[in-house]
Amino acid sequence: ILNVEQSPQSLHVQEGDSTNFTCSFPSSNFYALHWYRWETAKSPEALFVMTLNGDEKKKGRISATLNTKEGYSYLYIKGSQPEDSATYLCAFDNAGNMLTFGGGTRLMVKP
Amino acid sequence: ETGVTQTPRHLVMGMTNKKSLKCEQHLGHNAMYWYKQSAKKPLELMFVYSLEERVENNSVPSRFSPECPNSSHLFLHLHTLQPEDSALYLCASSQGGGSNQPQHFGDGTRLSIL
Repeated sequence: ILNVEQSPQSLHVQEGDSTNFTCSFPSSNFYALHWYRWETAKSPEALFVMTLNGDEKKKGRISATLNTKEGYSYLYIKGSQPEDSATYLCAFDNAGNMLTFGGGTRLMVKP
Repeated sequence: ETGVTQTPRHLVMGMTNKKSLKCEQHLGHNAMYWYKQSAKKPLELMFVYSLEERVENNSVPSRFSPECPNSSHLFLHLHTLQPEDSALYLCASSQGGGSNQPQHFGDGTRLSIL
């Protein structure tokens, strides 16, 4: 059983705050690390797929970094907005698109 | 609109019933997946189909039976389910079996077993 952990489990921030979450995963047999955003009553939406150690990806105010040697990835949100409220999921791939998901970080942004 | 459509959105069934969940993708992808989300648990991979061949079943009980008649359609046939099978069932698709492709998810079927 692969251990994919996300922290914190939940997070409340004020509009305009910057925030970050952590995903930790096994450091062996690494293929890729995925990040998804899952808003209530919607389907999970892909944010990033990261494959290279040291990789850094950015999409608007959201960015992510990857360290495959120590087995962690950070997701950063700059200047949080209420519409960023969602559960953020990471998923570890060790065998070619066979994803093991973490439990998610639930972000709530207060106006 | 994600390009992945699941029906029905909600399903209530007794333990002796037989029903099927349907997933259709309009993205031209060639890999499709079934996931289960139980309360307070992470998303759990159930089945993977790549080029209509089953690649992974992840030790799922035989009361769940997948079918992939073509690259656009995926079914999950249900029979003699247990109360602990009540969950959200999500379908996803991706282009190719490589690990650098994001998965595109449907809205899910909320299943309740009486």
